[in-house]
Amino acid sequence: GESVGLHLPTLSVQEGDNSIINCAYSNSASDYFIWYKQESGKGPQFIIDIRSNMDKRQGQRVTVLLNKTVKHLSLQIAATQPGDSAVYFCAEWGLYNQGGKLIFGQGTELSVKP
Amino acid sequence: DVKVTQSSRYLVKRTGEKVFLECVQDMDHENMFWYRQDPGLGLRLIYFSYDVKMKEKGDIPEGYSVSREKKERFSLILESASTNQTSMYLCASSRQDIPGRFGAGELFFGEGSRLTVL
Repeated sequence: GESVGLHLPTLSVQEGDNSIINCAYSNSASDYFIWYKQESGKGPQFIIDIRSNMDKRQGQRVTVLLNKTVKHLSLQIAATQPGDSAVYFCAEWGLYNQGGKLIFGQGTELSVKP
Repeated sequence: DVKVTQSSRYLVKRTGEKVFLECVQDMDHENMFWYRQDPGLGLRLIYFSYDVKMKEKGDIPEGYSVSREKKERFSLILESASTNQTSMYLCASSRQDIPGRFGAGELFFGEGSRLTVL
């Protein structure tokens, strides 16, 4: 069925450590994935995306990994900073009965301890 | 800086009232979207538009309508507000899509409009 889920609703990390946020998706036909960051009181902001013909993509301090075999997506944040505290959403674009669409997961709240 | 502006950050309305949520983008984007965000449910698509005067239903269109008279403006209308429409509403826009994948491009979101219906 249609679902993009997150393994953990909350994640707490120490400042300076690396963070890993996980996401599972159910549609094996999905071929485009995005991570968004939403800070308190603000709208979601694009972080990084990846297409299904790639396994890994790196940005500034962030890396997205895609494992199509197990339908799993992860966002890695290096040297996590207090400013990284936010809710992180994964989203997948895939073909469903009604046509192609973007589906968001429920979000993981990342809390960075000083 | 690119910008999506939602006219009201906070609104309180009564059951049965007509509610207008306005959204303006300054990026000349073709696509515009209205989502609602509820705890535990993530973002759910209400309506979208891929051109002026065009509109398409999303996943949860019941109780809502939209208007897109100009490219930069996309309005969400609650004809008769109900308490189950209390939510955070997010407007977004995107440029031309990745070919063959409508809505798959980067979305630029507004700051949200928190609506409470009493």
